[in-house]
Amino acid sequence: ETGVTQSPTHLIKTRGQQVTLRCSSQSGHNTVSWYQQALGQGPQFIFQYYREEENGRGNFPPRFSGLQFPNYSSELNVNALELDDSALYLCASSLARSLVAGGLGTGELFFGEGSRLTVL
Amino acid sequence: KQEVTQIPAALSVPEGENLVLNCSFTDSAIYNLQWFRQDPGKGLTSLLLIQSSQREQTSGRLNASLDKSSGRSTLYIAASQPGDSATYLCAVSGSARQLTFGSGTQLTVLP
Repeated sequence: ETGVTQSPTHLIKTRGQQVTLRCSSQSGHNTVSWYQQALGQGPQFIFQYYREEENGRGNFPPRFSGLQFPNYSSELNVNALELDDSALYLCASSLARSLVAGGLGTGELFFGEGSRLTVL
Repeated sequence: KQEVTQIPAALSVPEGENLVLNCSFTDSAIYNLQWFRQDPGKGLTSLLLIQSSQREQTSGRLNASLDKSSGRSTLYIAASQPGDSATYLCAVSGSARQLTFGSGTQLTVLP
């Protein structure tokens, strides 16, 4: 068990609705990343948060937004849900060192069990 | 843009066999490479992390190698067991500070 917890584990929404997914990172980790995994595919990077600021973003539209809180927990918000948003949403925490001046990339990432979102 | 490919997409072997899973990536400017295991409907479990300066890492029956110049990594599983059945994903970390994943190899170990 990684110590990364996500909620809810499963949820069903309809097109046009909004959803908030939550993640508690592993103790001592300062960085949270979110990934979307469609069925049969590898996870796709959505964005990363470090010290409560977005620190990198993948190819996802602005209706995907996030927050990181002072205790390093995080939320992923998706507005105006579309059918293609149905996926497993994975949160990962890591300890990122030396993000100033280029940094050292991601440290080892530890993933939660994910939130399965179904959009009808 | 980094692209990661895993071959084969699926693999079925009898229990006890040694096996190799392959991963290739297009941009050799990586910081590290990580192998994960994913059981159906579950999250990812980190198996091994190889820093770009390393050639291999070992954990129990698992051994991962990295050849950064050729853009390749292999995951070797010794003496496979039915409990090893899962999807194995490799991912590379570059300057964008994100992991780029392959689509995975679905492994079935038959009793």
